Amino acid sequence: DTAVSQTPKYLVTQMGNDKSIKCEQNLGHDTMYWYKQDSKKFLKIMFSYNNKELIINETVPNRFSPKSPDKAHLNLHINSLELGDSAVYFCASGPRGLGANVLTFGAGSRLTVL
Amino acid sequence: AQSVTQLGSHVSVSEGALVLLRCNYSSSVPPYLFWYVQYPNQGLQLLLKYTTGATLVKGINGFEAEFKKSETSFHLTKPSAHMSDAAEYFCAVSEANNNNDMRFGAGTRLTVKP
Repeated sequence: DTAVSQTPKYLVTQMGNDKSIKCEQNLGHDTMYWYKQDSKKFLKIMFSYNNKELIINETVPNRFSPKSPDKAHLNLHINSLELGDSAVYFCASGPRGLGANVLTFGAGSRLTVL
Repeated sequence: AQSVTQLGSHVSVSEGALVLLRCNYSSSVPPYLFWYVQYPNQGLQLLLKYTTGATLVKGINGFEAEFKKSETSFHLTKPSAHMSDAAEYFCAVSEANNNNDMRFGAGTRLTVKP
């Protein structure tokens, strides 16, 4: 039973389109995250939600809009896709008060913008 | 904000040789430090973590890391490399009093030669 699941795993689309990536965790964690991993493997935090409340919003274009309908889900919607959005997007979750605890990552969603 | 720097984007060792992956951190408060591993086309998995207490921490697959406050380092080692260790390794830091934010280094790709 997958702990953090992301869909779709692969997504190929044209510039200018709008797309969404969904994430669900069944671990009962309060906090969920979106990370972007670029072609050089650099992993950068984008957003963090704690029990549906936005905690961290890094310098991300406002074309990216996270939505958390409940604490088990954190979806990522991207408007007007650009070539530079091509990357692997990882969803993660962690218990409240990350501190000594760890993040559990999904398998990633590879987005390719043509 | 806290940050980590991984020295060397690519490390190559022979099978059976010592593995040393370097990580230095920056944090204004006591850090919690982590090493994650990413195998091809997979998400990140936790190798080990340091929070408090013993500065030498042991993780899975024979890896260990030592927290050295005076050097602000958390280098990852393994006495004898296996072919299966070939992967991307990420050092990460979170601050003990800021539990919703984890920052990753740029990653080090480990190659193991027969």
